[in-house]
Order: sequence, then C-alpha cells, then structure tokens
Amino acid sequence: GAGVSQSPRYKVAKRGQDVALRCDPISGHVSLFWYQQALGQGPEFLTYFQNEAQLDKSGLPSDRFFAERPEGSVSTLKIQRTQQEDSAVYLCASSLVGAFNEQFFGPGTRLTVL
Amino acid sequence: DQQVKQNSPSLSVQEGRISILNCDYTNSMFDYFLWYKKYPAEGPTVLISISSIKDKNEDGRFTVFLNKSAKHLSLHIVPSQPGDSAVYFCAAPDGGSSNTGKLIFGQGTTLQVKP
Repeated sequence: GAGVSQSPRYKVAKRGQDVALRCDPISGHVSLFWYQQALGQGPEFLTYFQNEAQLDKSGLPSDRFFAERPEGSVSTLKIQRTQQEDSAVYLCASSLVGAFNEQFFGPGTRLTVL
Repeated sequence: DQQVKQNSPSLSVQEGRISILNCDYTNSMFDYFLWYKKYPAEGPTVLISISSIKDKNEDGRFTVFLNKSAKHLSLHIVPSQPGDSAVYFCAAPDGGSSNTGKLIFGQGTTLQVKP
C-alpha cells in the first residue's frame, strides 16, 4: 500500500514569502505528526493531530507556523514570512493511536529560504 | 536541554565487523526506545525497538541493549554490511508509552560500512 507522501519535495523561498507544505498520511492513520529536521540534527517535534484535532502544538517555533488537518486526513503546514532559520527538512509521520504504534515517515520537504 | 543524546556524529567500520552505536538519555520517564534508520532523501524507518521491561532485544543482525541504571542504549549490528550505511537515530516517546507518541530524537550517527 501507499506510504506517507509529502509535497513538494523541495521548496526554495525568498525571505518573507509564505509557504505551504502538504502531507498525505497512510489511509486510516488517526495520528499525524510534523517534525523539523535542521542540518546535522535529529528531527524535532512541531505539532500533533488526532484526526482533525490539533492536540499538541508545543513545538511550533513561532506564530508564523500554522498547521491544519481539517478533514482528519491530509495536513498542511504553513509558514508565513519565512526566515533563513526556517531552512530545514520538514517531516510528516502518521500512525495508529498510541505511543507503541510505529510512526511511518514521509520523505520530507526540504525548504531553503534565501 | 537534549533529552536524548548521540555523542558520536559518525562511525566507520569494515564490512563484516561489528558496528556499535550509542545513545544516552536523561529523562527517567522514558520507557520505550526506538532506533530509526534513514537513507538520504527518504524518511526515517524503524529498525528495532525495546521496552524498558527488557534489557535486550534481538532481530537478526541487529541487537539493542538497554541499561536503565546508566540511562544508556546501544545498537549492535553484526556483521555489518555496506547496505547498512545510513544515519541512525535513537528516539523515545515523550512522557513514556502512555503518551501520544510524540518522539524525542537524538542528533543521529552516520554509519559508513566500507567494503
């Protein structure tokens, strides 16, 4: 079956532009996570959805970052007025509910802000 | 505050030898751990996991050891193969296994296995 897909795979933005990153989770997966991976670092948690409810957004670095999952399936991470420090790979993962359930990751979107 | 630490950014071993990757953690609430493997331009995938009620879990060439008193994990790969060359992340669900599953990752170790 299809895994987690993300689009675009690569995005170059000029500083100050808004970007939108899309995640299509595995069908039937209730939980959806966004992580940010800076160069040479491990992924860092941004936000978590259970169905359409955003239950944890404690990792979002600023109010320029916004995520939604309106129908409990596809999710979009939006970054407004991008800054150079936003350059990173943004990973989406989905899973069944519960910490013991494996999170399946998408290939990520590499965002470069010039 | 780095709750999961991988202090070796890189490791190089010869094909057929053992690879040992290390991970330390600070949060005593962690009760489940995973090792993820990541190839370039792909998402991380789970390689092996261990619950804190065990001190060892083995799956083929891969074994994870957990030392709770030292708050230390290690991943052993034996024998190492060139296809094992990848970045390896140690991770734990924040707040333990009863939580949502939000993962805390280490910084990663890049393993290179030379033919």
